[in-house]
Amino acid sequence: EVQLVESGGDLVQPGESLRLSCAASGFTFSNYWMSWVRQAPGKGLEWVAKIKEDGSKKYYVDSVRGRFTISRDNANNLLYLQMNSLRAEDSALYYCAKYDSYHFDQWGQGTLVTVSS
Amino acid sequence: QSALTQPASVSGSPGQSITISCTGTSSDVGGYNYVSWYQQHPGKAPKVMIYAVSNRPSGISDRFSGSKSGNTASLTISGLQAEDEADYYCTSYTSSGSYVFGTGTKVTVL
Repeated sequence: EVQLVESGGDLVQPGESLRLSCAASGFTFSNYWMSWVRQAPGKGLEWVAKIKEDGSKKYYVDSVRGRFTISRDNANNLLYLQMNSLRAEDSALYYCAKYDSYHFDQWGQGTLVTVSS
Repeated sequence: QSALTQPASVSGSPGQSITISCTGTSSDVGGYNYVSWYQQHPGKAPKVMIYAVSNRPSGISDRFSGSKSGNTASLTISGLQAEDEADYYCTSYTSSGSYVFGTGTKVTVL
């Protein structure tokens, strides 16, 4: 059974940094692109970033490019999202998603990031 | 990248059919057959219902079907059931290699 478990969400002040993690199990992690998707409270889904199987290619939504970095550790089946210069508008539930055949076929339960002074 | 346009809400009675539209541009929906649809119940993670415009993952009821014409994709739910009441989001691959989600549609079963 595929499992994706996010962690690292917290309450932080504007301008601070945070690193999210996603522990994957139940599939061969190194064979799949992975992605982060976020959802602000009461709002819709927003794709954030994706990373190739070997980490060699990364794509970002315009609003986070230059501030967020997606990475992965295939030896330990971990996906990361390093978030710097956080803004209030980055407050959201962040989902880790497995990406297969151009869709997000498995999702974690999310980790909550709140950016507020 | 602007969000794909979906109706805010759609409703129907049990047993009826409803259709949710998802309108984009030639740089996303119209340019690729990589539209997928997600169902999200309150407090739960999204779940894929349709991928690659019209393909159903294993275990998804055949009451759910997808299609596309030009820059607009559609999700049809036939034989509407109480458990179908949820939020639905479309998403599409884009020409920049990124993804864009739709604005979301709340489905209400009357």
